[in-house]
Amino acid sequence: EVQLVESGGGLVQPGSSLKLSCVASGFTFSNYGMNWIRQAPKKGLEWIALIYYDSSNKYYADSVKGRFTISRDNSKNTLYLEMNSLRSEDTAMYYCANYNNYGAFDYWGQGVMVTVSS
Amino acid sequence: DVVLTQTPPTLSATIGQSVSISCRSSQSLLHSNGNTYLNWLLQRPGQPPQLLIYLVSRLESGVPNRFSGSGSGTDFTLKISGVEAEDLGVYYCVQSTHAPLTFGSGTKLEIK
Repeated sequence: EVQLVESGGGLVQPGSSLKLSCVASGFTFSNYGMNWIRQAPKKGLEWIALIYYDSSNKYYADSVKGRFTISRDNSKNTLYLEMNSLRSEDTAMYYCANYNNYGAFDYWGQGVMVTVSS
Repeated sequence: DVVLTQTPPTLSATIGQSVSISCRSSQSLLHSNGNTYLNWLLQRPGQPPQLLIYLVSRLESGVPNRFSGSGSGTDFTLKISGVEAEDLGVYYCVQSTHAPLTFGSGTKLEIK
């Protein structure tokens, strides 16, 4: 059974940092690109970052470029999102999702909540 | 960035009714490799999204065949032929032809 399990969320103050993790199982993690996608409360979905299967390329949404860093450790089947200089508008549920050969997200985690508030 | 405009924003249907959701793109989603990277997701209440359709019309494994996708270029449609109670939720189109990946604003399907 495919599983993606996010962790590391919580309540933090504006300007602080947080690192999210996503542990994968049930599929060959090292074969897939991986994404972080977020959803602000009562809002739609926003793609924020993509990393290739071998970490050779990384892409970011303008809204997080320069503040967030996506990385992965294929030996640990784990995807990361390091978030710095957090803002109130970063408050959202953060999902990890794979990126298959057809450009689609076919596996999603349950999500982890990040709340940025003073 | 590519803007995906979904209509209608909300949809109310009875069980067994057939419905369609439109997704229009601000630019063609035909990639230079010949593929069109337009997918459809369903997010049920309190759940993460799930993939329904990829490459415009290909049904994801395990998804009921009452779901179908069609379209080309800039105009795409998701059709549900005979809505069931479990189909309630928010439907999103998403494109990955052009960077950055972008989502439609969603269509909420309610069951009457």
